[in-house]
Amino acid sequence: SYELTQPPSVSVSPGQTASITCSGDKLGDEYACWYQQKSGQSPVLVIYQDRKRPSGIPERFSGSNSGNTATLTISGTQAMDEADYYCQAWDSSTAVFGGGTKLTVL
Amino acid sequence: QVQLVQSGAEVKKPGASVKVSCKASGYTFTSYDINWVRQATGQGLEWMGWMNPDSGNTGYAQKFQGRVTMTRNTSISTAYMELSSLRSEDTAVYYCARGASGSGFDPWGQGTLVTVSS
Repeated sequence: SYELTQPPSVSVSPGQTASITCSGDKLGDEYACWYQQKSGQSPVLVIYQDRKRPSGIPERFSGSNSGNTATLTISGTQAMDEADYYCQAWDSSTAVFGGGTKLTVL
Repeated sequence: QVQLVQSGAEVKKPGASVKVSCKASGYTFTSYDINWVRQATGQGLEWMGWMNPDSGNTGYAQKFQGRVTMTRNTSISTAYMELSSLRSEDTAVYYCARGASGSGFDPWGQGTLVTVSS
């Protein structure tokens, strides 16, 4: 079965840039999405179709996807961005999630 | 605004079934798929399957084939997910989420905690 691999944790200082990767075989051939989940809350879509932002998502969130890796980038990271982040893609009509990355803003 | 509101928490015994509802508002219910995703405490997101509310067509993750059934009642814009033969490992928060091809899941319901315990 298809797998998406994320680092378990990423740390960033306030105001700096955080990058979270998601790796999967030929992931760049599919659309990748990213979700933010804060403690005790439902996930929120922050990036879809590799790099598009839903309305209401700050411009500091951006995405890319090429080869085997999709990347979520948060520029000027704020304390409110501390959360778990999940990538997601489709494989043969099956949705697959990455294992999640805990972003800590130190 | 687009919203998905789920039914309340459930406690079930092993071997029983649970049916979770997801009521949509703020958009045309039959125009978007409904997906179901679960999350055990402290764990990641696990996709269970999708349903097209217009046609009733469904697609289930292989892991849940034979145990899960997704249905809908278009007259009240509500989707349902029923999971049978429950075991302790099924204890989790179950989410519904609106989906569109290639566009991700947005929004998500508030989640329904299902606890399986004897």
